[in-house]
Amino acid sequence: GESVGLHLPTLSVQEGDNSIINCAYSNSASDYFIWYKQESGKGPQFIIDIRSNMDKRQGQRVTVLLNKTVKHLSLQIAATQPGDSAVYFCAENGAGGTSYGKLTFGQGTILTVHP
Amino acid sequence: DSGVTQTPKHLITATGQRVTLRCSPRSGDLSVYWYQQSLDQGLQFLIQYYNGEERAKGNILERFSAQQFPDLHSELNLSSLELGDSALYFCASSGTPNSNQPQHFGDGTRLSIL
Repeated sequence: GESVGLHLPTLSVQEGDNSIINCAYSNSASDYFIWYKQESGKGPQFIIDIRSNMDKRQGQRVTVLLNKTVKHLSLQIAATQPGDSAVYFCAENGAGGTSYGKLTFGQGTILTVHP
Repeated sequence: DSGVTQTPKHLITATGQRVTLRCSPRSGDLSVYWYQQSLDQGLQFLIQYYNGEERAKGNILERFSAQQFPDLHSELNLSSLELGDSALYFCASSGTPNSNQPQHFGDGTRLSIL
């Protein structure tokens, strides 16, 4: 079946560094992608999204890049802070019909930020 | 705070039992989604409701069922529970299902089967 996978299960950075979390997806028909942050004991928290007609979108300290040619998604976090430590998931939204809303999640990347 | 409320936060029960998990979506959201998060399967989509009607199904077991009520809150019913049903169950909501909108998640119900 279709799946979304992450290249790196863990990432450790120093406070102040920039972090890059990667994600590969397999459904070329997917037209919407979302990054979530999940802290211990909490539900996934929306960070940023991007539609397939874009290749870059910026938020506050975060940037998402989409490369449809190689079906790759990345999340860049600038000036990473200890509060950014969490598990990060990419998710794709099914394209069209009743597939809309059916989010397929990657495995997740554990980001650890050292002070 | 996402605005999605799930109760209870924790549930401990025995095999063979039945439980009901409750979700209140964000104000104004018409679509509700249920997900299961386990260590071996990750986050898996179970089922989606929109304005009271079932809209999409994922890998949801026949022992599981859900419904969305006129006030838009939703319940997930799990019956004949097995040890493998131990997991975190999340509810999410969004405005409408036919557009690209992010889903906002509650903090989940942790279900432990003894």
